Amino acid sequence: NAGVTQTPKFQVLKTGQSMTLQCAQDMNHNSMYWYRQDPGMGLRLIYYSASEGTTDKGEVPNGYNVSRLNKREFSLRLESAAPSQTSVYFCASSEGVENIQYFGAGTRLSVL
Amino acid sequence: AQSVTQPDIHITVSEGASLELRCNYSYGATPYLFWYVQSPGQGLQLLLKYFSGDTLVQGIKGFEAEFKRSQSSFNLRKPSVHWSDAAEYFCASKYSSASKIIFGSGTRLSIRP
Repeated sequence: NAGVTQTPKFQVLKTGQSMTLQCAQDMNHNSMYWYRQDPGMGLRLIYYSASEGTTDKGEVPNGYNVSRLNKREFSLRLESAAPSQTSVYFCASSEGVENIQYFGAGTRLSVL
Repeated sequence: AQSVTQPDIHITVSEGASLELRCNYSYGATPYLFWYVQSPGQGLQLLLKYFSGDTLVQGIKGFEAEFKRSQSSFNLRKPSVHWSDAAEYFCASKYSSASKIIFGSGTRLSIRP
């Protein structure tokens, strides 16, 4: 029972490099989310996808792009990484009005 | 705008002592309310939720929370904490019609042996 799987778990980038964070869920959920977690700031929503084929900006979308590849997969791309993007990134999925979210284990990203 | 406030950044309690973590939400109507727990190096796990009905809700791991409309609060409680409860706790809310959840900034709980 995998739930929400994120890859990679750790990544170190140099400023200006690009990378894609992968997320997949096996719960047949319609909605998926990308958050970043920084000390003292809780979780901030970067982008979300309410259903396959749709994406919307969250609270902190600048510097990121997303792709909802299919119902299972939702990727987050950093085109030109900056030190301010050093953070822990979480993917989540949910279903229904109650919107109980299920989280992956996170990706720890450092940008030097 | 919708917001969730957790006034305590860090709390330390002795093992076996009772615990209360505070959470206040701002919104006119009753939102959906959640408490999540994050163990070190892990993602978030749902502890409990409130949508309507009985204002005292029970969750996993012996936690409970009480919704108080007059105080716009949804405080988390546990009668007797265990060392394994050391973690970060997040309160969250959403409007019934919204697809997004708003998280508080979290409260880190340490347990004193």
